[in-house]
Amino acid sequence: RKEVEQDPGPFNVPEGATVAFNCTYSNSASQSFFWYRQDCRKEPKLLMSVYSSGNEDGRFTAQLNRASQYISLLIRDSKLSDSATYLCVVNRDSNYQLIWGAGTKLIIKP
Amino acid sequence: DAGITQSPRHKVTETGTPVTLRCHQTENHRYMYWYRQDPGHGLRLIHYSYGVKDTDKGEVSDGYSVSRSKTEDFLLTLESATSSQTSVYFCAISAELSYEQYFGPGTRLTVT
Repeated sequence: RKEVEQDPGPFNVPEGATVAFNCTYSNSASQSFFWYRQDCRKEPKLLMSVYSSGNEDGRFTAQLNRASQYISLLIRDSKLSDSATYLCVVNRDSNYQLIWGAGTKLIIKP
Repeated sequence: DAGITQSPRHKVTETGTPVTLRCHQTENHRYMYWYRQDPGHGLRLIHYSYGVKDTDKGEVSDGYSVSRSKTEDFLLTLESATSSQTSVYFCAISAELSYEQYFGPGTRLTVT
């Protein structure tokens, strides 16, 4: 079993729709969680950290469920520019190593 | 954007040749990382550094070595390149007491 699992997609979504991704992780000791965005042939960029109480940044909402060990990302009113691969990331241990999911590809269609 | 550059950005080399990739940062961050990214896999950690001359292995370190003689530079060396090392290589940095990592633009390496 992979340490971080994501549905690879692609998710084909019409512009303006709401889309949600989930990610599961296996290390119950993980304390830090992130969503990164990666455009085609570019480097990953930090989208948002995920806090225990859930957090929102504009159209993006991230939630954490420690009991079930999953993280979610919700994108509202999707834009064409949201098309990208979204990477779920959790920390491995206290020496700042991260474990990366393989990513979920999102395609927003006009 | 974080000040991280990688060189070269693209390289084609032959099996058995040595290759060195360079990562340079202007952020004065303590931690630096080398990853490889392949289709169907998440980013996989090759080596990381937690200070000048302080490095450790990641999950896919076989066939790779690293050096960090200055805070700003982290070098990744493939001693004898193999076709299985064809990949995109990313360098990342993070500050003390932070798990957030910031990436360089990547190096596309092809080993023929």
